[in-house]
Amino acid sequence: KAGVTQTPRYLIKTRGQQVTLSCSPISGHRSVSWYQQTPGQGLQFLFEYFSETQRNKGNFPGRFSGRQFSNSRSEMNVSTLELGDSALYLCASSQPGLGSGTLMKYNEQFFGPGTRLTVL
Amino acid sequence: GNSVTQMEGPVTLSEEAFLTINCTYTATGYPSLFWYVQYPGEGLQLLLKATKADDKGSNKGFEATYRKETTSFHLEKGSVQVSDSAVYFCALGRIQGAQKLVFGQGTRLTINP
Repeated sequence: KAGVTQTPRYLIKTRGQQVTLSCSPISGHRSVSWYQQTPGQGLQFLFEYFSETQRNKGNFPGRFSGRQFSNSRSEMNVSTLELGDSALYLCASSQPGLGSGTLMKYNEQFFGPGTRLTVL
Repeated sequence: GNSVTQMEGPVTLSEEAFLTINCTYTATGYPSLFWYVQYPGEGLQLLLKATKADDKGSNKGFEATYRKETTSFHLEKGSVQVSDSAVYFCALGRIQGAQKLVFGQGTRLTINP
């Protein structure tokens, strides 16, 4: 079974530009989550999509957005890039955690290799 | 809030040494606990997990026990190898019904031959 794929692997942009990153989940996985990894802040949750709907969101400004398509592939977009957006962006796929609260069944997240974004 | 604190790195050991990387957490509800490993230039790989108190996760010689009384999930290995050199992340999952992970800051481990 193919793993999570992310494209592109490396990207260089300048301040003010926008960027779109793509993630293809493992076949059959319907939940896709995005994380930002920086040396200063570590790994931080951006958002999670399931059934083309954003189900959870982390504490990031509105410049960060995403979407999910009917085939579960996901894209994230960052508009008006800032130097501080330079990071490794990781995508993770899983079966959705069904149920709610303490009864929710959490399913393991499988990570892609990431997209390294450099903002100049 | 929900958070994870890991032992500060970097950690440097000789091959065959005993490894402990400390991890403590603060969480509401009943989280699952994970250790992920990241090799240079790669994404995260799940190393082991525990879903409830007193569970022990194990994989590739690594072990960690979910201790609710001390809110800890320390990673141990009896005899490390050069190939274990990587960054290790402790993480909380299943937080407040959300399919997301909260990570510790990571511990860089270097094993010298």
